Amino acid sequence: SYVLTQAPSVSVAPGKTAKITCGGNNIGSKSVHWYQQRSGQAPVLVMSYDNDRPSGIPERFSGSNSGNTATLTIGGVEGGDEADYYCQVWGGSSNNPHAIFGGGTKLTVL
Amino acid sequence: QVQLVQSGAEVKKPGASVKVSCKASGYIFASYGITWVRQAPGQGLEWMGWISVYNGKTNYAQQLRDRVTMTTDTSTTTAYMELMSLRSDDTAVYYCARGDPVTGGDLWGQGTLVSVSS
Repeated sequence: SYVLTQAPSVSVAPGKTAKITCGGNNIGSKSVHWYQQRSGQAPVLVMSYDNDRPSGIPERFSGSNSGNTATLTIGGVEGGDEADYYCQVWGGSSNNPHAIFGGGTKLTVL
Repeated sequence: QVQLVQSGAEVKKPGASVKVSCKASGYIFASYGITWVRQAPGQGLEWMGWISVYNGKTNYAQQLRDRVTMTTDTSTTTAYMELMSLRSDDTAVYYCARGDPVTGGDLWGQGTLVSVSS
């Protein structure tokens, strides 16, 4: 089955840029969604279809996807960005669709 | 207001069943699927399955296929997830989300804690 690999943690100083990666075999051929989950809260979609920012998500968030790695980039990191981030792709077939999540990356703002 | 509101926390004994509801409002219910995701304490997100509100088609995660049933009631714009034969490792927060495996979930409920303990 298809596996998505995320680093358990990433740390970044305020104002700097954070890059959160999601690895998978030829993930560049798939569409990747990204979710932010702050402590004790429900997930929020912050990036869809690799690089499409939903309404209300700051322009500081951007996404890319190529080869075996998809990346969520957060520029000018703020304290409120501290959260767990999960990538997700669609797996299976059109007759048997299912979703696959990465293990999540905890972003710590120093 | 566009939102999904879930039912309250549940405490169940092993072997019992639980049915979690997810009330949708503020959008055309039949235009989107409903996905269910759970999160065990301190763990990541686990996709459980999804249902097409439009035609009732479902797809369940392989590891839950024998125990889970997802339904919708379009008259009340409510989705339901029933999990049977509960075990202690089913203890988790259960989320509903608007969307399907392709589109992802763009709107999430607040979560429902289901605790399974003897």
